[in-house]
Amino acid sequence: RKEVEQDPGPFNVPEGATVAFNCTYSNSASQSFFWYRQDCRKEPKLLMSVYSSGNEDGRFTAQLNRASQYISLLIRDSKLSDSATYLCVVNVEASGGSARQLTFGSGTQLTVLP
Amino acid sequence: GAGVSQSPSNKVTEKGKDVELRCDPISGHTALYWYRQRLGQGLEFLIYFQGNSAPDKSGLPSDRFSAERTGESVSTLTIQRTQQEDSAVYLCASSPRRGSWGNEQFFGPGTRLTVL
Repeated sequence: RKEVEQDPGPFNVPEGATVAFNCTYSNSASQSFFWYRQDCRKEPKLLMSVYSSGNEDGRFTAQLNRASQYISLLIRDSKLSDSATYLCVVNVEASGGSARQLTFGSGTQLTVLP
Repeated sequence: GAGVSQSPSNKVTEKGKDVELRCDPISGHTALYWYRQRLGQGLEFLIYFQGNSAPDKSGLPSDRFSAERTGESVSTLTIQRTQQEDSAVYLCASSPRRGSWGNEQFFGPGTRLTVL
């Protein structure tokens, strides 16, 4: 089982639609959670961190369910410019002073259609 | 300010040759990561440097891969005796000192490696 799993999509939605992505992680010791965005042939960039209480940034809402070990990203009123691959990212702090790297999901591809 | 830079942006090499990829992190960032991303795939962790601590090399796929970092500055990723399956985009990221929530990673534009 992959450490971080995402539905690869693609999700093709019309402008203005609401779309939701889910991500599951296997390590219950995971401590930090993020959504990154990667445009075609570009590097990933942080979209938002995911906090335990859930958080919102404009049209984007992120939620964390530790009991079920999943993270979600909701995009409301989608725009053409939202077309990208959305990467779910999980961080586990290792013991012994050697911090663990982020583990990236394979990403969910979103295309917003005019 | 300047972001993470990587060079070369593109590298085409013949199977069996050695290649060296360079990463210049954001000034002051203590953490540096190398990832590999094959076409249409997710990011695959390779190696992580944090300050003067021993690097986490757990992601290096074989002994043909090695990386070095001098202090908190430039890093080089070396691939010896390249194989066609090494073809990918190699991404470098840097991050400021680790905080309680983990820190955002800032990625460079990547080096696209093609092994013929």
